[in-house]
Amino acid sequence: KAGVTQTPRYLIKTRGQQVTLSCSPISGHRSVSWYQQTPGQGLQFLFEYFSETQRNKGNFPGRFSGRQFSNSRSEMNVSTLELGDSALYLCASSADQGYEQYFGPGTRLTVT
Amino acid sequence: GIQVEQSPPDLILQEGANSTLRCNFSDSVNNLQWFHQNPWGQLINLFYIPSGTKQNGRLSATTVATERYSLLYISSSQTTDSGVYFCAVEPILTGGGNKLTFGTGTQLKVEL
Repeated sequence: KAGVTQTPRYLIKTRGQQVTLSCSPISGHRSVSWYQQTPGQGLQFLFEYFSETQRNKGNFPGRFSGRQFSNSRSEMNVSTLELGDSALYLCASSADQGYEQYFGPGTRLTVT
Repeated sequence: GIQVEQSPPDLILQEGANSTLRCNFSDSVNNLQWFHQNPWGQLINLFYIPSGTKQNGRLSATTVATERYSLLYISSSQTTDSGVYFCAVEPILTGGGNKLTFGTGTQLKVEL
C-alpha cells in the first residue's frame, strides 16, 4: 500500500498571504489528522476529519481550517499568515479512532 | 488535558550500547505509539502499544497501562538510530476522534 502523501513538501510565503496544504491518506483510511511542529511548541494537534466531518479540534485560531473530500483526501488552509506559522505541518491517517496513525513526510512552511 | 513526559531529554551512546527511553502519561489511554523522527522530519512508526510488550528486531517496547508508563528499549545501537524519539498517546476520554498528544521527545545521538 502506498503511504501517506503530502504536497507540497516545501513552501515559502509572505506574511498576510494564505496557504493550502494537501494530504492523501493511505487507501481505505477515513481519518485524517493534522499536526504542527515547531521548535518552541513541539508537536501539536490541529484537527481531525473523518468521513468529511471535523471530529476533533485543537487549540488553534480560526485562521487554521481544513476540509476532507469524499475520497478522504484532506486539505488544510491557513489564512493571513504570520511569522509564527512557520513550521513543519504533518498529516496522519488511520482507519478510525484508537487505531495506529501513520504520518506523511510533512510540508515545511516558511513565512517571511 | 493529558500530560506526556519523556526521559531522558538527551542521550549520547557509543555504537553497540543499549538504552531505555521512558514515557510517563497522566491519564488512561486507548492508543500509545512510539515514533522515530528522521532528519528530514518524517515520523516513522516504531510501535503501536497501548498495553503489553512488543519486539521488532533490536527494538522492543513495554507499556504498563495501569501504572501509566511505557518503555522503549534499543539494543546494540547503531549510528542510524540517531534522531528524536517521540511517545504519543490518545486518552480514552477525548470526546471522540483521533487526537494524539506528543511528549517532548528524546534526542538520541549514537557515536562511533
